[in-house]
Amino acid sequence: GAVVSQHPSWVICKSGTSVKIECRSLDFQATTMFWYRQFPKQSLMLMATSNEGSKATYEQGVEKDKFLINHASLTLSTLTVTSAHPEDSSFYICSARERGYTEAFFGQGTRLTVV
Amino acid sequence: AQRVTQPEKLLSVFKGAPVELKCNYSYSGSPELFWYVQYSRQRLQLLLRHISRESIKGFTADLNKGETSFHLKKPFAQEEDSAMYYCALRSGTSYGKLTFGQGTILTVHP
Repeated sequence: GAVVSQHPSWVICKSGTSVKIECRSLDFQATTMFWYRQFPKQSLMLMATSNEGSKATYEQGVEKDKFLINHASLTLSTLTVTSAHPEDSSFYICSARERGYTEAFFGQGTRLTVV
Repeated sequence: AQRVTQPEKLLSVFKGAPVELKCNYSYSGSPELFWYVQYSRQRLQLLLRHISRESIKGFTADLNKGETSFHLKKPFAQEEDSAMYYCALRSGTSYGKLTFGQGTILTVHP
């Protein structure tokens, strides 16, 4: 099956710094990628949708300048949390879909802790 | 607006007992409904989708448009079924974009 890999699996950073999370599709071309945020024991909340070569579409309430998404290639999308604060601590999950297919596959997630 | 509701945050059953995880949705069009499962320390993975009408690991789910429900059922629960289960909805025009329910933690006791 299709594999989506996130890196890093976990990261701890200081308040005020920026953190970049990578999402790669290993064996297919991810024309569309989705970024979700998951709080402990809660649901996944879609943050943004990105199509390769286009600007990301953010969900209501998600700060574009805070969560920078780049989807420059068919196998890589990045989420950069800028000027991170403790309230940004969460589990971030990406999923990727190939054009022509309806199913999206999920990465293993990245646990971000801002101290 | 589309919404998915899983009324039970926690569900505990004994091994061999039937289990039903409830899911209700609201959506004005024709949705696609899914069940995803997340085992401990593993990634989210698709369990089944309503259009496939399949049984995976003994689980089935029937879309009831009249009741706007998509409950997940298994006649005889196993300990390895213990996991977090998410019901999800996708609208007809948002390929891949999913709206998730709050999730239900299923614990199957020996």
